[in-house]
Amino acid sequence: DVKVTQSSRYLVKRTGEKVFLECVQDMDHENMFWYRQDPGLGLRLIYFSYDVKMKEKGDIPEGYSVSREKKERFSLILESASTNQTSMYLCAGRGPTGELFFGEGSRLTVL
Amino acid sequence: EDQVTQSPEALRLQEGESSSLNCSYTVSGLRGLFWYRQDPGKGPEFLFTLYSAGEEKEKERLKATLTKKESFLHITAPKPEDSATYLCAVRGTTDSWGKLQFGAGTQVVVTP
Repeated sequence: DVKVTQSSRYLVKRTGEKVFLECVQDMDHENMFWYRQDPGLGLRLIYFSYDVKMKEKGDIPEGYSVSREKKERFSLILESASTNQTSMYLCAGRGPTGELFFGEGSRLTVL
Repeated sequence: EDQVTQSPEALRLQEGESSSLNCSYTVSGLRGLFWYRQDPGKGPEFLFTLYSAGEEKEKERLKATLTKKESFLHITAPKPEDSATYLCAVRGTTDSWGKLQFGAGTQVVVTP
C-alpha cells in the first residue's frame, strides 16, 4: 500500500494568512491529489498532479494553488486564507490498481 | 459528469443486525468502483475495488457487490467496531489521471 503522510493534523490560522499544507508519499508513483471534505458535501477535488512540476485543476481550485518540486512531495497552498476554507484537507496518492490511499487529513480552521 | 449517490445517509444497527448500504452511480463507462471506511477525524481507509458487474469482494464482515447501476456494501453481523462512515467512489473511462468522484457517505453506528 501507498503510505501518505500529511505534516499537520490541526492548524488554526487568521484570515489573510498564507497557509502551506504538506504531503509526502512513500511510493514512486506519479499521481497525487488534494481533496477537501465538508459535512454534507463529501470529498471534492481541489488539484492533482501527474508528475513533477505538472498539475491540473480539479473541481474547486479557486483560492488554492499547489507545488510539486519532488515526486514524493505535493503541497497545497492557500495564498490568503478565508473563513470559507475552514475544512478537512485530504491528500492522496494513487496505488498500482487505481485506488487512492489517503493521509490522516489536516483539519484547518480559519478565524 | 460522473455522479455518485449513497443511501441511507445514516444507519443505526444493533450488534449482530445485518444490513446493506447502497451506492448508485452514473458514469459514462466504469473503470472502477471503490469502497472506503472513514473513522471520525481520520482519512478514508481503502477497502475494495470492483471493476465489472457481477463482481464481489469480501473482507471480514463486509461484502461488496456490483451491478451496472449500483453497488451494495453488506455488513453481516456487525460489531461496534464497524461503526464508521462508508464512502463509495467511481472512476470513469473518460478519466486519464485516476480521479475519483465520491458520494457523501453513509454513517453507520453499531450499538452493543
